Parts: sequence; structure tokens; C-alpha cells
Amino acid sequence: QQPVQSPQAVILREGEDAVINCSSSKALYSVHWYRQKHGEAPVFLMILLKGGEQKGHDKISASFNEKKQQSSLYLTASQLSYSGTYFCGTRNSGYALNFGKGTSLLVTP
Amino acid sequence: NAGVTQTPKFRILKIGQSMTLQCTQDMNHNYMYWYRQDPGMGLKLIYYSVGAGITDKGEVPNGYNVSRSTTEDFPLRLELAAPSQTSVYFCASATSVRQETQYFGPGTRLLVL
Repeated sequence: QQPVQSPQAVILREGEDAVINCSSSKALYSVHWYRQKHGEAPVFLMILLKGGEQKGHDKISASFNEKKQQSSLYLTASQLSYSGTYFCGTRNSGYALNFGKGTSLLVTP
Repeated sequence: NAGVTQTPKFRILKIGQSMTLQCTQDMNHNYMYWYRQDPGMGLKLIYYSVGAGITDKGEVPNGYNVSRSTTEDFPLRLELAAPSQTSVYFCASATSVRQETQYFGPGTRLLVL
């Protein structure tokens, strides 16, 4: 079951904040966030396990609402290097991750 | 420590031809995955493996086959290539399911004409 990401695309100026959402119609065991730059492989950002935890990495953080089956990725004080496509991957059970279609983020000077 | 390596980087196939995409990891990971990525569609799981000798189908397995004879290698075989298999293929590996960080290879860009 592919999770739904929103928005599809966002354009920011350096220093602005952004929120990317990921929702699933099925109960989630975990949510994984990846960033992919054009022509490159996806790179792991963070994983959130069920329990409603929130994590942070530098100025990028994420939350996971298990009851709502939603996760949000927060990018604060965006930098040019944040540009790329962000994917959420969700695990319902078993071994497979289901990835969303991605959110394209462009940070401009 | 090279991580996950994939060969070739790019390949053009004619319809009906076959080929094997190679994937090797040197991190002693049990879990390995093959994804295809089409523009604007995210990553779709083709096959995965939880250890040597154990493989299972993902979301889009038709037209592909895999084998896992060693921990390090997880080749993906395309039989009778079709234009619909034009895509970018990524191999990934992970150490465990619960605290899973999937490490991706650089990808193979395949064009079927």
C-alpha cells in the first residue's frame, strides 16, 4: 500500500521552513525518510518506530503519529543542500518498505 | 568498505534480449532488495532476500528473477526485455528489519528499445 506524500513539490528561499507529510491507510510499524538528489541514489535520513516518537538530525526532524498513521518531516532554516526529492517509506508488517511518490524540494538563494 | 556496488551503470537492450544486473555489498548485511524507479513514481520493490538462499517477490516481480547464493551478491535477471522495463534499478541492503537503514547502490539505468 503506497503511502501518500504531500505536497508534491515545494520551492523555498534559503532560511525558510518546510513540512512534508506522509500518510498511510494501513497501520504502520515504522516510517523511514530518504532524500535523493538528481541522478543519485536515495540516502537515509531517519527512521521512526511506532510509539509516536520524534527525531531530529541537525535542522531536519520528523514526527510519527501512530494513531493517525501519519508522519511529517520538518526542515527548518533550509539550506541549498536540502534540495532534492524526499521519500517516505512505510512498513506495515513483514520485510518490505512501501515508498511514496516523493516530494520535490528546491531551495533557492 | 565500498558499501553497495552495482554494475553496469547504464545499458541499452533490444526488445527480447536478456541481461543480469549485478549487486554486491560488503557490509555483511542479511537483507537485500531490488527496486525500480520510474519518473515521478517513487521506488517499487521487485524482489527481496532475507539471507542466502531465501528470496521473495515484491510488488512488481513479473519479468524478473533473482538468486541469492551468497550473502554478498544479489543479481537481478531480466528475461525477454520489454520497453516497460525501461527504468532505473536500485539495489539496497540492510542489517536488520527492525532498526533498518537501507543502503542503496548507485543504480543501473536501463533503456529497452
